[in-house]
Parts: sequence; structure tokens; C-alpha cells
Amino acid sequence: AQSVTQLDSQVPVFEEAPVELRCNYSSSVSVYLFWYVQYPNQGLQLLLKYLSGSTLVKGINGFEAEFNKSQTSFHLRKPSVHISDTAEYFCAVGWAESYQLTFGKGTKLSVIP
Amino acid sequence: EAQVTQNPRYLITVTGKKLTVTCSQNMNHEYMSWYRQDPGLGLRQIYYSMNVEVTDKGDVPEGYKVSRKEKRNFPLILESPSPNQTSLYFCASSLAVTGPNTEAFFGQGTRLTVV
Repeated sequence: AQSVTQLDSQVPVFEEAPVELRCNYSSSVSVYLFWYVQYPNQGLQLLLKYLSGSTLVKGINGFEAEFNKSQTSFHLRKPSVHISDTAEYFCAVGWAESYQLTFGKGTKLSVIP
Repeated sequence: EAQVTQNPRYLITVTGKKLTVTCSQNMNHEYMSWYRQDPGLGLRQIYYSMNVEVTDKGDVPEGYKVSRKEKRNFPLILESPSPNQTSLYFCASSLAVTGPNTEAFFGQGTRLTVV
């Protein structure tokens, strides 16, 4: 079965420091990759997506992610985090032959003043 | 405004009392699904629907039912809720079933407590 792994369940980082949230998935066949953010007591909203083309994808709020086919990874990065980035982040993968989006277990980002 | 609307947002019920959580989308999306979110487990898909009258089980369907009689609505039914169904539930919709238009749009969530 296809799977999505987010290697860190919690990531604390100081304000204005860079951050990387890691995501790996199980298969390198045609995939569509997404990062979602969930702020406290809210639903999930799309941060960015990779469908095809350039492997570096830019999203909202200064986030970007890089698709690496050989390593089956889609890590999320931000060069300088703000307090308002405190949230839970979910990586999701859609496979061309599947009717489902598979989500990772989430990474809680805590930005420390 | 394009959105997915779930009701209620919060619900406390007793074991065995049937309940329905409603979900409606106004984007004319074909694909709708239900997830539950539990600490440390992320989002797990309960059921999904590829179109009207077409539904299928996700990863954790036991104890749940769904129906898709209209394109916009996809209610989640718990015939006999149990405490292990206490969770945060999300409804989601997307334009297409597979391919690049599988970006999911989520409702605000329903926090269910079964006592």
C-alpha cells in the first residue's frame, strides 16, 4: 500500500529562523503532491502543490517545497518563520492510479518568540 | 464564496444514539470524502464518493455510513455511535477523482464526543 511519512511529529523553532518539514512517500510513479496547513480550531487549507513541471514550488505565506523524484521526497521550507506560522502541517500525496489522497500524520510547528 | 460546509461544528452524544453530520459543497465538485483526525494518527479516510450514487470505503469505514443522493451533499451517518468514534471529522471535496485536480477543499470540521 502507498504511504506518506512525515519524519518529525513536532518541530520547535525560534522566530525568524529557517525551518524544514520533511515528507517522504512510498512510490515514484506519477504523483501529485500537496502541503496543507491547519491552524488551531480550523480546517485544512492548501499551502502549495506540485502537479508537474518545475520541481521547486512556491506557496502562500512564504513557504516553498522541492519535489525530489529520486528520493521520493517533498520537503517544505521557509527561510524565516513567524509566530503566526505555528500550526500543524500535513503532507498529502495523490497517485495517478488511485482515487484517494493519502495524508501523512502531520508535523506540529511551534515558533518560539 | 466557494466552500465546504459541515454541521454541526460540535456535538456531544450518548452511545447508541444515531446521528448525522451534514456536508455540503457549492463548487460542483464530483469527488467528496470524509476523514477523521486523531492525535498522532493524522487524517484517515472513512468513505469517499466519486459521483452521485457512487460511494466506496476508505481506510476506516467500520461504524459509519454515507449517502450521495445529490452532487452537493454527502452526509456521514453513525447508526450506533461508540466512544471510540470520538474524534474530529472533516468533509472534503475536489473537482476530479484522479489527476491534478484532486486538490481537496476542506470543511471546518466537526468535533464529536460520544459518552
